[in-house]
Parts: sequence; C-alpha cells; structure tokens
Amino acid sequence: EAGVTQFPSHSVIEKGQTVTLRCDPISGHDNLYWYRRVMGKEIKFLLHFVKESKQDESGMPNNRFLAERTGGTYSTLKVQPAELEDSGVYFCASSQAAPPYEQYFGPGTRLTVT
Amino acid sequence: GDSVTQMEGPVTLSEEAFLTINCTYTATGYPSLFWYVQYPGEGLQLLLKATKADDKGSNKGFEATYRKETTSFHLEKGSVQVSDSAVYFCAYPFYNQGGKLIFGQGTELSVKP
Repeated sequence: EAGVTQFPSHSVIEKGQTVTLRCDPISGHDNLYWYRRVMGKEIKFLLHFVKESKQDESGMPNNRFLAERTGGTYSTLKVQPAELEDSGVYFCASSQAAPPYEQYFGPGTRLTVT
Repeated sequence: GDSVTQMEGPVTLSEEAFLTINCTYTATGYPSLFWYVQYPGEGLQLLLKATKADDKGSNKGFEATYRKETTSFHLEKGSVQVSDSAVYFCAYPFYNQGGKLIFGQGTELSVKP
C-alpha cells in the first residue's frame, strides 16, 4: 500500500511568487491534515479536511493560504503571494474515519522563500 | 493554553549511551500521548503511544511512561544506535477537534559511532 506522498520535495521561490504544494493521502483515508514546521520550531496544525470538506482551518496563518481537496482525494495548498516567513517544511497527513485515527505522514515539502 | 514542551536539542550521544528526551504537556483532561520520529529524508512515523495514565508505550527499544502527576511523557532508550539518529517529536491529539495533533518543538538526536 502506498503511503502519503507530497510534491514537490523542495521548492525555492522568490517573495511575491505563487507556489502550490500537493498531497496524495493513503487511498480510502477520509481525514487529511496539513501541518507546518518553521525554522526548527514545533510542528503546527494548519487545517483538516474530512473528504472534500474543510473541517477545521483554524491554523491557517492568513488569507494568502488556500487549501483544496478535489473530490475528497488529493489536496493542494497554495500560497499566494509568498512571503519570507512562509519558509518551512509543510507536512501532510491522512487517517481513516474510524479508530484508532492514527495519522500517517508524508515526507514533507521544504519551501524556501527568498 | 494547550502545549507540549520538549528538551532542546541537538543532543549528541555516543553509541550505546542512555537516552532521555524530556516532554511535558499542558492540556485539558488526560489526552493520549505520542512520540513521533522523523528519520533523515522521511516523513514522521509514530514511534510509540500511551492512552492513559501510567501506561507505558514501547517500540524499537524506546519507552515512555504517561505520568499524570507530572504531566510528562519522557522518552528513554537504554542503548542508542547510530540508526536512531533522527528528530523526535512529542505530541497529543485533540480528538474532539478532529484529531489534530499538538506537537513539541522536536529534539534532534545525533548518535556517533
């Protein structure tokens, strides 16, 4: 069974540009989460999808971030326009809709904004 | 507020040394507690967990005991190997908020031969 995959693994963009990160969850996982780790600090929750619906987006930093989950399958996270403080590692995780709800993480996308 | 605090890294040990990574948490109630590990170039993996007070989680020689009285979940291993070099994260889930995880800042462990 394939795990959670993320693309790209690395992205370097200039301030003001747009970047789109993609996450493909484990097949059949209704729950999809986005997290971010900035500069060696704690990993912070960004948002949670249940199928195609946003369940909780309380962690989204501001309206420059837009997340979608097409048809309840893969998800994208767009940053537009990117700012320096958006640099970090963006993780995606997925879990089943039933206990034990263990989240399986992707390898992350390292975003560098210069 | 809800938070997890881990000992700061990086931690550098020689092979076969004893490891302790401290973790304390602030939460409403008594959540399940997790340790995640991120090996170089890989995603986060659940290393071990404990679901209630006094439970001991264990895996791959690592152990952690859920201490309600000290709100702690310290990670220990009696004899580390070079292959244990990774970043370790303590975390707990908000099950009544969709299961999102609250993480500590991570502790980088480097084990030298």
